Amino acid sequence: EVQLVESGGGLVQPGGSLRLSCAASGFTFSSYWMTWVRQAPGKGLEWVANIKHDGSDKYYVDSVKGRFTISRDNAKNSLYLQMNSLRAEDTAVYFCAREMATTPNAQLDYWGQGTLVTVSS
Amino acid sequence: QSVLTQPPSVSEAPRQRVTISCSGSSSNIGNNAVNWYQQLPKKAPKLLIYFDDLLPSGVSDRFSGSKSGTAASLAISGLQSEDEADYYCATWDDSLNGPVFGGGTKLTVL
Repeated sequence: EVQLVESGGGLVQPGGSLRLSCAASGFTFSSYWMTWVRQAPGKGLEWVANIKHDGSDKYYVDSVKGRFTISRDNAKNSLYLQMNSLRAEDTAVYFCAREMATTPNAQLDYWGQGTLVTVSS
Repeated sequence: QSVLTQPPSVSEAPRQRVTISCSGSSSNIGNNAVNWYQQLPKKAPKLLIYFDDLLPSGVSDRFSGSKSGTAASLAISGLQSEDEADYYCATWDDSLNGPVFGGGTKLTVL
């Protein structure tokens, strides 16, 4: 059974940092693109970043470029999102998700339960 | 303001049929496959339709998708109370070089 379990969310002050993790199981993690998607309270879904199966390609939404870094450790079946210089508008539930296609195509077939990040003083 | 435009809400009676539209442009829907997600309250999104009109295993055939030009739509027939959810369209955007989502449509089953 495919499972994605996020962790690392919490309350952080503006300008602070947080590292999210996503533990994957039930599939060959090293064969898939992985994605972070966030959802601000009461709002819609927003793609944040994605990373190629071998980590060689990474893409970010403009609003997080230079502040967030996506990475993965295929030996540990884990996906990460390092978030620096956090702002109030980064407050959201962050989901990790698996891209089912061999090239990213917004086809996310498995999602974690999400982890809440709150940026507030 | 989302790149893909969806109506904020739709409503229909049980056992009826409803459609949800998703409008984009040549850089996204016009050149890439459209996917649809269902998000039940307090839950993670679930892939409902991919490659415009394909159903993942386990998804009811009451759901169907279509696309024409730069617009796509999701149809749900035989509405049931458990279909009450938020629905999102999504596709790749060649200009932004990343996935884009619609703003979401809240379905109410009257």
